[in-house]
Amino acid sequence: EDQVTQSPEALRLQEGESSSLNCSYTVSGLRGLFWYRQDPGKGPEFLFTLYSAGEEKEKERLKATLTKKESFLHITAPKPEDSATYLCAVRSFNTNAGKSTFGDGTTLTVKP
Amino acid sequence: DTEVTQTPKHLVMGMTNKKSLKCEQHMGHRAMYWYKQKAKKPPELMFVYSYEKLSINESVPSRFSPECPNSSLLNLHLHALQPEDSALYLCASSQDPVDEQYFGPGTRLTVT
Repeated sequence: EDQVTQSPEALRLQEGESSSLNCSYTVSGLRGLFWYRQDPGKGPEFLFTLYSAGEEKEKERLKATLTKKESFLHITAPKPEDSATYLCAVRSFNTNAGKSTFGDGTTLTVKP
Repeated sequence: DTEVTQTPKHLVMGMTNKKSLKCEQHMGHRAMYWYKQKAKKPPELMFVYSYEKLSINESVPSRFSPECPNSSLLNLHLHALQPEDSALYLCASSQDPVDEQYFGPGTRLTVT
């Protein structure tokens, strides 16, 4: 059974204070790892897809990396508008196409 | 355009009512999803339609009935719901069932 664990559960940063969110996963054959951002009361917003160890993707202040056991979402010089819950999800080759396993998320708060 | 629309935004219904949630996308995506999300929890998969056919039903109670009239539309018919069914209902779509998902803003459902 696929498993995803995100840490920390909550993270409070000062504006400009860089940090990383962790997503540890256990799957039998990774088809893809996805990062989403979710604001309160809204639907998740797609950020990145990573497929293989060593892959990296960047978007503005965010950079996602992938190893064989975990993924990191690095946030450089965050701003208050980066405050949100960040969700990690995996899809494996051993589950029905279309089914993702989500982590519980990391809630990021950036103070001005 | 990566927009998925959902109507209504809010819905309050009694336990004997029948209502429907609607979802639409015009991205040419061939997979569409229904998720249920409770507060401070990740989205929980309910149904997946792949190429207009139901491919995944996550043992959802029969009081929830999905329908995919065409490749752009997805409905969720609700009947005889329970108060514990109150949640944010999210629709999502993806180009293919293995790809990243694009979520709608959700319908906030309250069952009284």
